[in-house]
Amino acid sequence: DTEVTQTPKHLVMGMTNKKSLKCEQHMGHRAMYWYKQKAKKPPELMFVYSYEKLSINESVPSRFSPECPNSSLLNLHLHALQPEDSALYLCASSQVAGGVKTQYFGPGTRLLVL
Amino acid sequence: AQKVTQAQTEISVVEKEDVTLDCVYETRDTTYYLFWYKQPPSGELVFLIRRNSFDEQNEISGRYSWNFQKSTSSFNFTITASQVVDSAVYFCALSEWNTGGFKTIFGAGTRLFVKA
Repeated sequence: DTEVTQTPKHLVMGMTNKKSLKCEQHMGHRAMYWYKQKAKKPPELMFVYSYEKLSINESVPSRFSPECPNSSLLNLHLHALQPEDSALYLCASSQVAGGVKTQYFGPGTRLLVL
Repeated sequence: AQKVTQAQTEISVVEKEDVTLDCVYETRDTTYYLFWYKQPPSGELVFLIRRNSFDEQNEISGRYSWNFQKSTSSFNFTITASQVVDSAVYFCALSEWNTGGFKTIFGAGTRLFVKA
């Protein structure tokens, strides 16, 4: 099973709202990732968690706050977003050491900020 | 620094034609991984193939084949006898292990249209 699930599929929020994106995997992967993908552009890495600890932050604005409560779950908390933050947010997971080093992606959350 | 170049922005073919998607990469590391992903209109990135830097063996999987050449830093992808369902954006990606996780950069993508 190589499934990564993401909820919600679509999200519309105002600039003063607080919302969260959720990602879940049950492949035993200990690295999880958030990517942002604007229309007609490639995905761009935002955050990496390894063994539930934040290991890479690609200089993402603080209005995006990641959280990894356990090895299967990854959240992205959103607050005071801007319209330019509208994008497809993709979650991925992979093994960390040894094994198959492939990132498997979820279906994404399409976010629209009004 | 890492870089992935997919020079073909869009390709349009007629069903049953063969099509090759080009990918050229740059890296200073000796250990790295190369991937191809397919992104249909639904948005999900579907993993197609992985190659590590020590494995230059080419691979064929059904109608898909990949040609990895370290000498030219290329990792090209060929679809034989294309079908309408192959229409999608295809991304080539380069991953290197960074402390705690993989840093992956994607090429700009090639949008493939297969017409019936």
